[in-house]
Amino acid sequence: DGGITQSPKYLFRKEGQNVTLSCEQNLNHDAMYWYRQDPGQGLRLIYYSQIVNDFQKGDIAEGYSVSREKKESFPLTVTSAQKNPTAFYLCASSPTLGEAFFGQGTRLTVV
Amino acid sequence: QKEVEQNSGPLSVPEGAIASLNCTYSDRVSQSFFWYRQYSGKSPELIMSIYSNGDKEDGRFTAQLNKASQYVSLLIRDSQPSDSATYLCAGFYNQGGKLIFGQGTELSVKP
Repeated sequence: DGGITQSPKYLFRKEGQNVTLSCEQNLNHDAMYWYRQDPGQGLRLIYYSQIVNDFQKGDIAEGYSVSREKKESFPLTVTSAQKNPTAFYLCASSPTLGEAFFGQGTRLTVV
Repeated sequence: QKEVEQNSGPLSVPEGAIASLNCTYSDRVSQSFFWYRQYSGKSPELIMSIYSNGDKEDGRFTAQLNKASQYVSLLIRDSQPSDSATYLCAGFYNQGGKLIFGQGTELSVKP
């Protein structure tokens, strides 16, 4: 089954804690993306990667970090520097400049 | 001007009518445009992609791209209550592979 898998579906973070969201794809796509969505809002780009071992900041990268050590994987770490991390996080992948497909998303809540 | 801009709505149409969703974009965005549908609480689902000027039809959906006027539209014919969702427009930056989304238009189809 080809697709994009995000885990976990729900995640709870304590104040001051770092958490890592997983994103794996088996579509052989070169590009991968992380977006944040707040209630009633569109998607804001956090980080994107067009190729293994390379990634670029999006519009709201502060307080987040990523790695792209394998083509299939693009994990996102929400650090303690992100002061308002409660949101719906979406990972996507695409061929270069092509159609992007999304995972099911991770809902992160600060407790 | 935002790179990709949509009227947030809500747009309300009766069942069976044509729903027209519009999106404008800046000079920094000019390649590979996409329309996504997002149901409440779910991840976005790709509906249409359009890469060149003109119309592209797929079933009840028609995407229109006008590069001279810098707008992309989505027409939904014979609208159904199941079409009620938020519709997101997206496009790639001219360089660098950055995929940017508009804020989305909420569509409500009334039986």
